[in-house]
Amino acid sequence: RKEVEQDPGPFNVPEGATVAFNCTYSNSASQSFFWYRQDCRKEPKLLMSVYSSGNEDGRFTAQLNRASQYISLLIRDSKLSDSATYLCVVKGYSTLTFGKGTMLLVSP
Amino acid sequence: SQTIHQWPATLVQPVGSPLSLECTVEGTSNPNLYWYRQAAGRGLQLLFYSVGIGQISSEVPQNLSASRPQDRQFILSSKKLLLSDSGFYLCAWSVSRTYGYTFGSGTRLTVV
Repeated sequence: RKEVEQDPGPFNVPEGATVAFNCTYSNSASQSFFWYRQDCRKEPKLLMSVYSSGNEDGRFTAQLNRASQYISLLIRDSKLSDSATYLCVVKGYSTLTFGKGTMLLVSP
Repeated sequence: SQTIHQWPATLVQPVGSPLSLECTVEGTSNPNLYWYRQAAGRGLQLLFYSVGIGQISSEVPQNLSASRPQDRQFILSSKKLLLSDSGFYLCAWSVSRTYGYTFGSGTRLTVV
């Protein structure tokens, strides 16, 4: 089993749609979780941390299920500018492990 | 505020040539520093990380090496590049092992 697994997509959605991405991780001892966003040919940028109780930042909601080793990201009211690759990131003891990402394409 | 600088942005090098990529961080002290590589169509692979001057941990055996000669400087090197070294090289820093990382703008290396 890969350390961090994501559906590569692409997810094609119209503007205004709600879309959800999922991610599973293999290391049950993982301590911190994040979602990063990466635009084409750019560096990844931190979108949000993921907390056990779930957390929301505007149109973005992240959830963590430690028992199932599962992380999710929900984007509501999608904008054209949300088009990017979303990376699920898991931290073990010392460093971050990145998933390969899920590509989102939002169309007019 | 903290900033991270990485250069050059793009590099084309022949097979067998040496490599030196530099990364510097401003506005913080004793950061944790990281080198990642993203090959075409693949995920981010951690190459090296450093928690202090002269302290380098290597994650994968490879044709590359890293050094940290100063607190806020991290250098990625190779004596002889291979075609398989092509990729997008990203430097990152964090205030501690607990927090997420901030990436530099990256160097896109093509070995020909």
